[in-house]
Amino acid sequence: DTGVSQNPRHKITKRGQNVTFRCDPISEHNRLYWYRQTLGQGPEFLTYFQNEAQLEKSRLLSDRFSAERPKGSFSTLEIQRTEQGDSAMYLCASSFGSEKLFFGSGTQLSVL
Amino acid sequence: GENVEQHPSTLSVQEGDSAVIKCTYSDSASNYFPWYKQELGKGPQLIIDIRSNVGEKKDQRIAVTLNKTAKHFSLHITETQPEDSAVYFCAARTNQAGTALIFGKGTTLSVSS
Repeated sequence: DTGVSQNPRHKITKRGQNVTFRCDPISEHNRLYWYRQTLGQGPEFLTYFQNEAQLEKSRLLSDRFSAERPKGSFSTLEIQRTEQGDSAMYLCASSFGSEKLFFGSGTQLSVL
Repeated sequence: GENVEQHPSTLSVQEGDSAVIKCTYSDSASNYFPWYKQELGKGPQLIIDIRSNVGEKKDQRIAVTLNKTAKHFSLHITETQPEDSAVYFCAARTNQAGTALIFGKGTTLSVSS
Protein backbone atom coordinates (compact mmCIF):
# COMPACT_ATOMS: atom_id res chain seq x y z
CA ASP A 1 0.00 0.00 0.00
CA THR A 2 1.54 3.30 -1.03
CA GLY A 3 -0.91 5.64 0.65
CA VAL A 4 -0.51 7.65 3.83
CA SER A 5 -0.35 5.32 6.81
CA GLN A 6 -1.37 6.27 10.34
CA ASN A 7 -0.95 4.32 13.55
CA PRO A 8 -2.68 3.47 15.73
CA ARG A 9 -6.16 3.58 14.18
CA HIS A 10 -7.78 3.95 17.58
CA LYS A 11 -6.45 5.12 20.93
CA ILE A 12 -8.31 5.22 24.23
CA THR A 13 -6.59 6.94 27.10
CA LYS A 14 -7.34 8.41 30.49
CA ARG A 15 -7.31 12.11 31.08
CA GLY A 16 -3.84 13.31 32.00
CA GLN A 17 -1.97 10.62 30.08
CA ASN A 18 0.37 11.29 27.18
CA VAL A 19 -0.29 9.83 23.73
CA THR A 20 1.76 9.67 20.56
CA PHE A 21 0.58 9.07 17.01
CA ARG A 22 2.64 8.16 13.97
CA CYS A 23 2.22 9.10 10.33
CA ASP A 24 4.08 7.61 7.37
CA PRO A 25 3.53 9.79 4.30
CA ILE A 26 3.51 8.73 0.68
CA SER A 27 7.07 7.95 -0.30
CA GLU A 28 9.01 10.99 -1.54
CA HIS A 29 6.32 13.46 -0.46
CA ASN A 30 8.20 16.36 1.07
CA ARG A 31 5.24 18.03 2.76
CA LEU A 32 3.37 16.58 5.71
CA TYR A 33 0.34 18.03 7.47
CA TRP A 34 -1.55 17.26 10.67
CA TYR A 35 -5.24 18.04 10.95
CA ARG A 36 -7.82 17.43 13.65
CA GLN A 37 -11.45 16.57 12.93
CA THR A 38 -14.34 16.45 15.36
CA LEU A 39 -17.76 15.00 14.65
CA GLY A 40 -19.74 17.02 12.15
CA GLN A 41 -16.86 19.35 11.34
CA GLY A 42 -14.31 19.68 8.59
CA PRO A 43 -10.65 18.99 9.21
CA GLU A 44 -8.89 21.77 11.13
CA PHE A 45 -5.25 22.50 10.38
CA LEU A 46 -2.77 21.91 13.20
CA THR A 47 0.74 22.01 11.75
CA TYR A 48 2.80 21.50 8.61
CA PHE A 49 6.29 20.27 7.73
CA GLN A 50 8.38 20.70 4.64
CA ASN A 51 10.99 17.98 4.88
CA GLU A 52 12.08 18.07 8.53
CA ALA A 53 11.28 21.74 9.11
CA GLN A 54 8.06 22.64 10.90
CA LEU A 55 7.00 25.72 8.96
CA GLU A 56 3.57 26.55 10.26
CA LYS A 57 1.56 25.96 13.41
CA SER A 58 -2.06 26.78 14.06
CA ARG A 59 -3.11 28.63 17.20
CA LEU A 60 -5.15 25.47 17.84
CA LEU A 61 -1.87 23.73 18.63
CA SER A 62 -1.49 24.37 22.35
CA ASP A 63 1.80 23.86 24.17
CA ARG A 64 0.62 20.37 25.12
CA PHE A 65 0.92 19.36 21.48
CA SER A 66 4.23 18.70 19.78
CA ALA A 67 5.01 17.32 16.37
CA GLU A 68 8.26 16.12 14.87
CA ARG A 69 9.52 14.90 11.54
CA PRO A 70 13.12 14.11 12.41
CA LYS A 71 14.41 12.79 9.10
CA GLY A 72 11.90 14.31 6.77
CA SER A 73 10.04 11.03 6.41
CA PHE A 74 7.59 9.83 9.09
CA SER A 75 6.13 12.20 11.65
CA THR A 76 4.88 11.89 15.21
CA LEU A 77 2.28 13.95 17.02
CA GLU A 78 2.39 13.88 20.80
CA ILE A 79 -0.27 15.19 23.14
CA GLN A 80 0.77 15.63 26.75
CA ARG A 81 -1.62 15.68 29.71
CA THR A 82 -4.59 14.80 27.54
CA GLU A 83 -7.94 16.45 28.19
CA GLN A 84 -11.42 15.29 27.22
CA GLY A 85 -11.55 18.09 24.66
CA ASP A 86 -8.67 16.45 22.82
CA SER A 87 -10.98 13.62 21.76
CA ALA A 88 -11.07 13.77 17.96
CA MET A 89 -9.85 12.16 14.77
CA TYR A 90 -6.26 13.15 14.06
CA LEU A 91 -5.55 13.14 10.34
CA CYS A 92 -2.24 13.20 8.56
CA ALA A 93 -1.80 14.26 4.94
CA SER A 94 1.13 14.53 2.58
CA SER A 95 1.92 16.16 -0.73
CA PHE A 96 4.83 16.79 -3.09
CA GLY A 97 5.27 20.09 -4.81
CA SER A 98 1.56 20.68 -5.33
CA GLU A 99 -1.56 21.43 -3.44
CA LYS A 100 -2.94 17.91 -3.81
CA LEU A 101 -3.09 16.67 -0.25
CA PHE A 102 -3.56 12.96 0.28
CA PHE A 103 -4.95 11.95 3.66
CA GLY A 104 -4.50 8.88 5.79
CA SER A 105 -7.36 7.13 7.55
CA GLY A 106 -6.66 8.92 10.79
CA THR A 107 -6.20 8.05 14.45
CA GLN A 108 -9.37 8.24 16.53
CA LEU A 109 -8.51 9.45 20.03
CA SER A 110 -10.91 9.00 22.93
CA VAL A 111 -9.98 10.60 26.25
CA LEU A 112 -11.94 9.22 29.19
CA GLY B 1 -7.36 34.44 7.53
CA GLU B 2 -9.42 32.36 5.15
CA ASN B 3 -12.96 31.31 6.06
CA VAL B 4 -14.94 28.76 4.03
CA GLU B 5 -18.72 28.42 4.27
CA GLN B 6 -20.45 25.34 2.83
CA HIS B 7 -24.12 24.71 2.04
CA PRO B 8 -26.24 22.72 2.50
CA SER B 9 -25.18 20.71 5.52
CA THR B 10 -27.31 17.77 4.40
CA LEU B 11 -28.63 16.83 0.97
CA SER B 12 -30.89 13.94 0.03
CA VAL B 13 -31.49 12.97 -3.60
CA GLN B 14 -32.93 10.11 -5.55
CA GLU B 15 -30.61 7.88 -7.54
CA GLY B 16 -30.06 9.40 -10.96
CA ASP B 17 -30.73 12.97 -9.85
CA SER B 18 -28.08 15.69 -9.73
CA ALA B 19 -26.58 17.09 -6.55
CA VAL B 20 -25.06 20.53 -6.08
CA ILE B 21 -22.99 21.68 -3.11
CA LYS B 22 -21.91 25.31 -2.79
CA CYS B 23 -19.06 26.99 -0.97
CA THR B 24 -17.98 30.58 -0.44
CA TYR B 25 -14.58 31.80 0.65
CA SER B 26 -13.42 35.06 2.17
CA ASP B 27 -9.79 35.51 1.11
CA SER B 28 -9.52 36.92 -2.41
CA ALA B 29 -5.91 35.65 -2.52
CA SER B 30 -7.10 32.04 -2.43
CA ASN B 31 -6.41 30.33 -5.71
CA TYR B 32 -6.75 26.59 -5.14
CA PHE B 33 -10.06 24.87 -4.40
CA PRO B 34 -10.20 21.09 -3.87
CA TRP B 35 -13.16 18.90 -3.02
CA TYR B 36 -12.89 15.86 -0.78
CA LYS B 37 -15.19 12.90 -0.18
CA GLN B 38 -15.12 11.20 3.21
CA GLU B 39 -16.71 7.85 3.93
CA LEU B 40 -17.35 6.58 7.42
CA GLY B 41 -14.17 5.59 9.22
CA LYS B 42 -11.90 6.83 6.43
CA GLY B 43 -9.84 9.89 5.76
CA PRO B 44 -10.92 12.49 3.18
CA GLN B 45 -10.27 11.49 -0.43
CA LEU B 46 -9.52 14.10 -3.09
CA ILE B 47 -12.09 13.84 -5.87
CA ILE B 48 -11.53 16.99 -7.93
CA ASP B 49 -9.78 20.33 -7.66
CA ILE B 50 -9.71 23.62 -9.52
CA ARG B 51 -7.33 26.55 -9.68
CA SER B 52 -8.36 30.16 -9.96
CA ASN B 53 -7.26 30.52 -13.58
CA VAL B 54 -9.98 28.06 -14.64
CA GLY B 55 -13.74 28.57 -14.45
CA GLU B 56 -14.88 24.98 -14.72
CA LYS B 57 -13.44 21.47 -14.60
CA LYS B 58 -15.12 18.15 -15.26
CA ASP B 59 -14.24 14.54 -14.50
CA GLN B 60 -16.87 12.08 -15.64
CA ARG B 61 -19.96 12.67 -13.44
CA ILE B 62 -18.28 15.32 -11.30
CA ALA B 63 -17.74 18.96 -12.16
CA VAL B 64 -16.60 22.01 -10.24
CA THR B 65 -17.31 25.64 -11.13
CA LEU B 66 -15.57 28.71 -9.77
CA ASN B 67 -16.72 32.32 -9.69
CA LYS B 68 -13.77 34.40 -8.49
CA THR B 69 -15.68 37.65 -8.54
CA ALA B 70 -18.35 36.33 -6.20
CA LYS B 71 -15.81 34.17 -4.32
CA HIS B 72 -17.82 31.01 -4.56
CA PHE B 73 -17.37 27.57 -6.05
CA SER B 74 -19.65 24.60 -6.47
CA LEU B 75 -19.52 20.83 -6.84
CA HIS B 76 -21.93 19.21 -9.27
CA ILE B 77 -22.56 15.47 -9.29
CA THR B 78 -24.75 14.15 -12.09
CA GLU B 79 -26.50 10.79 -12.32
CA THR B 80 -25.99 10.16 -8.64
CA GLN B 81 -25.53 6.61 -7.40
CA PRO B 82 -25.92 5.12 -3.89
CA GLU B 83 -22.13 4.84 -3.64
CA ASP B 84 -21.92 8.64 -3.90
CA SER B 85 -23.42 8.78 -0.41
CA ALA B 86 -20.74 10.31 1.85
CA VAL B 87 -19.67 13.58 3.44
CA TYR B 88 -18.23 16.08 0.97
CA PHE B 89 -15.88 18.89 1.98
CA CYS B 90 -14.78 21.92 0.03
CA ALA B 91 -11.53 23.68 0.86
CA ALA B 92 -9.56 26.76 -0.15
CA ARG B 93 -5.94 27.80 0.00
CA THR B 94 -3.73 30.70 -1.09
CA ASN B 95 -0.61 30.25 -3.14
CA GLN B 96 1.73 31.10 -0.31
CA ALA B 97 4.07 28.22 0.39
CA GLY B 98 2.89 26.17 3.32
CA THR B 99 -0.42 27.90 3.76
CA ALA B 100 -2.87 25.32 4.97
CA LEU B 101 -6.04 24.14 3.29
CA ILE B 102 -9.06 25.58 5.09
CA PHE B 103 -12.08 23.30 4.98
CA GLY B 104 -15.80 23.89 5.04
CA LYS B 105 -17.94 22.04 7.57
CA GLY B 106 -19.09 19.41 5.13
CA THR B 107 -22.24 18.25 3.36
CA THR B 108 -23.73 14.86 4.08
CA LEU B 109 -25.07 13.53 0.78
CA SER B 110 -27.56 10.68 0.86
CA VAL B 111 -28.53 9.01 -2.42
CA SER B 112 -31.51 6.71 -2.15
CA SER B 113 -32.31 4.05 -4.71
